[in-house]
Amino acid sequence: GESVGLHLPTLSVQEGDNSIINCAYSNSASDYFIWYKQESGKGPQFIIDIRSNMDKRQGQRVTVLLNKTVKHLSLQIAATQPGDSAVYFCAENRGGATNKLIFGTGTLLAVQP
Amino acid sequence: EAGVVQSPRYKIIEKKQPVAFWCNPISGHNTLYWYLQNLGQGPELLIRYENEEAVDDSQLPKDRFSAERLKGVDSTLKIQPAELGDSAVYLCASSKGRGGELFFGEGSRLTVL
Repeated sequence: GESVGLHLPTLSVQEGDNSIINCAYSNSASDYFIWYKQESGKGPQFIIDIRSNMDKRQGQRVTVLLNKTVKHLSLQIAATQPGDSAVYFCAENRGGATNKLIFGTGTLLAVQP
Repeated sequence: EAGVVQSPRYKIIEKKQPVAFWCNPISGHNTLYWYLQNLGQGPELLIRYENEEAVDDSQLPKDRFSAERLKGVDSTLKIQPAELGDSAVYLCASSKGRGGELFFGEGSRLTVL
């Protein structure tokens, strides 16, 4: 069946270190992936997306890597800051659309000062 | 520009009572979504509107849930009667079309006693 899951439910890092959050997906037909950040009491916020014709995309302090061979997605955050503390979700869809996103369970990133 | 506005932010009711949530999307966004988010889980789509038409309500439990978007702008999600298992956060999101970035509201947290 279709599912998107995360390997690590909780990730604790020191301020200034790099963080890597992982996600596995099972639907090989998925060709569009998004990472969201959700702070406590707020709705998910778009971080970065990637299409299946790419294997890497960079934003400001964030990089998303896509490995279609093993159906794996990762989010790298450089120089992690306390403000990065949140739950991170990966989501998948097909056709570059956002109309039927399937979200994973989420990883809690805790940044230690 | 105002984001997606939801109300109420919090609602506590007893089981079997009705409850309604309201959402006002970002101006100009014709696509509106209602998502259900259980604690520690990713959001799950309940219903999607394109303007005033519900184009995907396959995940909406129609025996007790209903939604409307009469004028293609704001929307209401209703539960009647509420059950203990309905306790969750109800998120509204909007986008410019099916491929546009989703912008989420802060959610309405429902507690059913």
